[in-house]
Amino acid sequence: GESVGLHLPTLSVQEGDNSIINCAYSNSASDYFIWYKQESGKGPQFIIDIRSNMDKRQGQRVTVLLNKTVKHLSLQIAATQPGDSAVYFCAENSVRGQNFVFGPGTRLSVLP
Amino acid sequence: KAGVTQTPRYLIKTRGQQVTLSCSPISGHRSVSWYQQTPGQGLQFLFEYFSETQRNKGNFPGRFSGRQFSNSRSEMNVSTLELGDSALYLCASSLEGRVEKLFFGSGTQLSVL
Repeated sequence: GESVGLHLPTLSVQEGDNSIINCAYSNSASDYFIWYKQESGKGPQFIIDIRSNMDKRQGQRVTVLLNKTVKHLSLQIAATQPGDSAVYFCAENSVRGQNFVFGPGTRLSVLP
Repeated sequence: KAGVTQTPRYLIKTRGQQVTLSCSPISGHRSVSWYQQTPGQGLQFLFEYFSETQRNKGNFPGRFSGRQFSNSRSEMNVSTLELGDSALYLCASSLEGRVEKLFFGSGTQLSVL
């Protein structure tokens, strides 16, 4: 069954389009950020991370952008595929932090 | 390399009972963290263990406890279950447990009736 929030913000995109998922983080001292993907019935899966000494990092079909001035993080997925449908979470931590703090999540729905 | 393994996958309990969940981290990982995931609250940190010691603790009542064994395997226990404890309990492991990637298991879905 469904294991994540029922009232999450939802982003619907056409297959093949690019997706941009946004996250506002709360702690100005946070200096390490991770994006996770969670499919129904599974645990969060690591996608990409970025440290605060960078403002952009690219992976395979994914790019993370970090704007420390406005405490904003985004995940860009190129050529979105049906298999990208999931809930996406950002997580933040700091060298002084004790644990990761997770955002509320965004549900990505890929339309055929 | 095997991933994080959590058992059991599903549990159904009644109010007032207690439950123990198990987590085997990725081989070589010494830190294990536990999170509670619910639709209303999202992912909430419970506690973290490193070298058999609880290093960090979230804001949960004392009914929630855990431990870690010398082989880094971890268990968490919830006593006197309440309806609101129904959730997906996720275990995550990392090498040293500081500012580094967490790798999650598939979770234990606990339903309290």
